Order: sequence, then structure tokens, then C-alpha cells
Amino acid sequence: DTEVTQTPKHLVMGMTNKKSLKCEQHMGHRAMYWYKQKAKKPPELMFVYSYEKLSINESVPSRFSPECPNSSLLNLHLHALQPEDSALYLCASSQEGGGASNTEAFFGQGTRLTVV
Amino acid sequence: AQSVTQPDIHITVSEGASLELRCNYSYGATPYLFWYVQSPGQGLQLLLKYFSGDTLVQGIKGFEAEFKRSQSSFNLRKPSVHWSDAAEYFCAVGAPTSGTYKYIFGTGTRLKVLA
Repeated sequence: DTEVTQTPKHLVMGMTNKKSLKCEQHMGHRAMYWYKQKAKKPPELMFVYSYEKLSINESVPSRFSPECPNSSLLNLHLHALQPEDSALYLCASSQEGGGASNTEAFFGQGTRLTVV
Repeated sequence: AQSVTQPDIHITVSEGASLELRCNYSYGATPYLFWYVQSPGQGLQLLLKYFSGDTLVQGIKGFEAEFKRSQSSFNLRKPSVHWSDAAEYFCAVGAPTSGTYKYIFGTGTRLKVLA
């Protein structure tokens, strides 16, 4: 199983709503990532969790709050978003400690978020 | 700082023609390099990767890439393009950071295939 599963696939939320994006992998990977991708742009790194601890936060606004409840799950809690936060949110995972040959990241299909 | 440059924003080729997508990287040590493909509204699929050894790497869907340290390049090639190859292609570098890896993407090249 080389799948990263993201739910929901689409989400429309108001600027006062609270919602969460979910990501799950069962590949035994110990690093998980959130990326944001605007239309016609490359993915931009938001957060990295390594062994369930937040290791990288790319100066993301606090209205985005990541959580890693266990090694298979990654959540992104959303609150008081702005319309400019509308984007495709991608989750990824990679194996760590397995040597250079296992450094590739596996991506989910993304959640298309629209903030109204 | 690590960075990836893809000089071509758009490329159009005819079906059956050969393809080369350019990628240049900036990184102090031996980089881990990747090519990903993305269809509209979808996630990214790994085509191939380079981390050491043979500088010509083979990937899925008939793609290959060649690592050239002297030119800081990792260009993607395919001898004969199929209409289904139309997509966005991203070159990426994996950089060890804070005990984990950071994947930095180039701006992407959008491939259009003419029938």
C-alpha cells in the first residue's frame, strides 16, 4: 500500500467556520507534510512532522494549526481563514531513517479548499 | 539556500516526438533530486529519483533523467511522448533540514501534447 489518503476531497467554508483536513498513511512513514498549492504554482511547504513532533513550520499563520495524533494520521485545523487561503492542500509522507534510497515523498490527492 | 529552477513554463510537443524538460538546482552538497507529475486537480506522482550512483536514472511511464553535477542539472527525457503525458511536471530537491527532509519544488513545466 503506497497510498496517502486525504479527506475531504473538496471543502467550502466560511471565514468564521472551523474545519479540519485529514490525512492518513499506512506505509510506516515517520515524516508527514502539509503543502499548499495555488493554481498554476508549485506546492509550498507549510509544516513537517517527524516522529510525531513538529519539526518545521514555514512561518504559517496561526489560523492554520497542524496536529499529528499518531504516526499514521495528520490533521490540519482551520479557523478564521481568508478567501486568499483558497487552494489545494496536499499531504505527503516519507520514510525517515531508512537511508537516502527512501527519501521520496508520497503525496495524497489533495483537498480543494474554497473560503467564501 | 536550496532552490530549483525550471526555465520552461510551457512546452508543446507533437505526439510521438521526443521530450526534454530542464531542471537546474542550487544545493551545497549532493542533492536528492526528484521529478513529479501532476494532472489537473490531482496530487503529485513520483516519476523518478536520484540520490547517488548511476547518473542516468530510469523511471515510470518510460521517463528517464540524467544528473549532471558540473551543470547542476537534472533534465527529464522521454523518447516518444504520448497524449496522456500532458500534465504539469515538477522537479524537486530534497534537503536535510532540522532532522528531516524538506522538499523544494521548481515552478513547474506545463506540457501540452498535440495529436
